[in-house]
Amino acid sequence: AQTVTQSQPEMSVQEAETVTLSCTYDTSESDYYLFWYKQPPSRQMILVIRQEAYKQQNATENRFSVNFQKAAKSFSLKISDSQLGDAAMYFCAYRSARSSYKLIFGSGTRLLVRP
Amino acid sequence: ETGVTQSPTHLIKTRGQQVTLRCSSQSGHNTVSWYQQALGQGPQFIFQYYREEENGRGNFPPRFSGLQFPNYSSELNVNALELDDSALYLCASSYLAGGPNTQYFGPGTRLTVL
Repeated sequence: AQTVTQSQPEMSVQEAETVTLSCTYDTSESDYYLFWYKQPPSRQMILVIRQEAYKQQNATENRFSVNFQKAAKSFSLKISDSQLGDAAMYFCAYRSARSSYKLIFGSGTRLLVRP
Repeated sequence: ETGVTQSPTHLIKTRGQQVTLRCSSQSGHNTVSWYQQALGQGPQFIFQYYREEENGRGNFPPRFSGLQFPNYSSELNVNALELDDSALYLCASSYLAGGPNTQYFGPGTRLTVL
């Protein structure tokens, strides 16, 4: 069974600085999708970025980028120029390409942004 | 474009009761997935509905059931509520096709079972 592990329960970053959130996953499959979701105190899960495993190029969305290391089964999220609005829980999620439905989430990392 | 909506926002029930939660999918989406998020944890997949039929199920007992309607909205029903059912219930919609089928989430329903 696939699993997703986020080993950092909480991270802290100074406003305008850069922070990296870690995520590792375990799968025997070669084709899958990876996601980072943000959950602010309002509770709504918001998609931050996604990565297709067959793509070697790391995904980037404005200040958010990933470091996808397929062999190491690692999928970290880098947030540049951190803003106060980035403070939230961040969840890493995996979906097999063979399954259209099931997202498997990690336990989350709480990101604190210091002004 | 209308996003995913859920109702109610909060709900308090007592053990043994039944509850129905509702979700309206984002326009253009044909699939709805339900997740349970206990306090301090990541969401756990309950089931998904596509074309009004269950398209996959997680490790939840049969007292968790659902429906999808022709307009792609969905209901989650939980019978014989237990204290451990207290959680945030998230609905996510997507368009089922080849590719990432990215799921977009609603704001959730906070269920408290006393």
